[in-house]
Amino acid sequence: GAGVSQSPSNKVTEKGKDVELRCDPISGHTALYWYRQSLGQGLEFLIYFQGNSAPDKSGLPSDRFSAERTGGSVSTLTIQRTQQEDSAVYLCASIEGTSGSYNEQFFGPGTRLTVL
Amino acid sequence: AQKVTQAQTEISVVEKEDVTLDCVYETRDTTYYLFWYKQPPSGELVFLIRRNSFDEQNEISGRYSWNFQKSTSSFNFTITASQVVDSAVYFCALSEAGRGGADGLTFGKGTHLIIQP
Repeated sequence: GAGVSQSPSNKVTEKGKDVELRCDPISGHTALYWYRQSLGQGLEFLIYFQGNSAPDKSGLPSDRFSAERTGGSVSTLTIQRTQQEDSAVYLCASIEGTSGSYNEQFFGPGTRLTVL
Repeated sequence: AQKVTQAQTEISVVEKEDVTLDCVYETRDTTYYLFWYKQPPSGELVFLIRRNSFDEQNEISGRYSWNFQKSTSSFNFTITASQVVDSAVYFCALSEAGRGGADGLTFGKGTHLIIQP
């Protein structure tokens, strides 16, 4: 079956612009995660959705970052007024079931964001 | 707070050699889960294995084996008779059960494994 998909695969933007990254989880997966992978920081957890709700947004790097999930499926990560330090690969993962601590996370191919 | 350390940034070996990737973790939870993921040049993270904190049995899957030792807080990964296709970045990760997965995975910095023909 289809895996986790993300779009766009690559995004180049100018500093100060807003960007929107999209994640389509595996059908039926109730929980969804966003991570960021950068050379300096490695893989960092950003936010977790159980259904449409995100109980804790403290992992988001700044208030320029926001995320939402609608219909228990597609999620979007929005970065406002992008900065060069936002350049990274943004990864999305989904899990079957509700226990993200135990279940295998299925990762998408990522969106490579470059802020000029 | 939880932490995962992969001290080996890069390892290069010749094909058919055995290689061990080290992983040391820190957590205050008594129930936790440890994972290894592989990230090939294509970029997509691929799940390899999961262990829970109550199961210290070593695991073998083909050429891959994992050694989990709570006494040293380590979860090391060995590839025997390495092959060029094993070249990738390997990540060790930790998840604490207490928050039900709400904190995501805590990853180590990864070890870049290069298998030379």
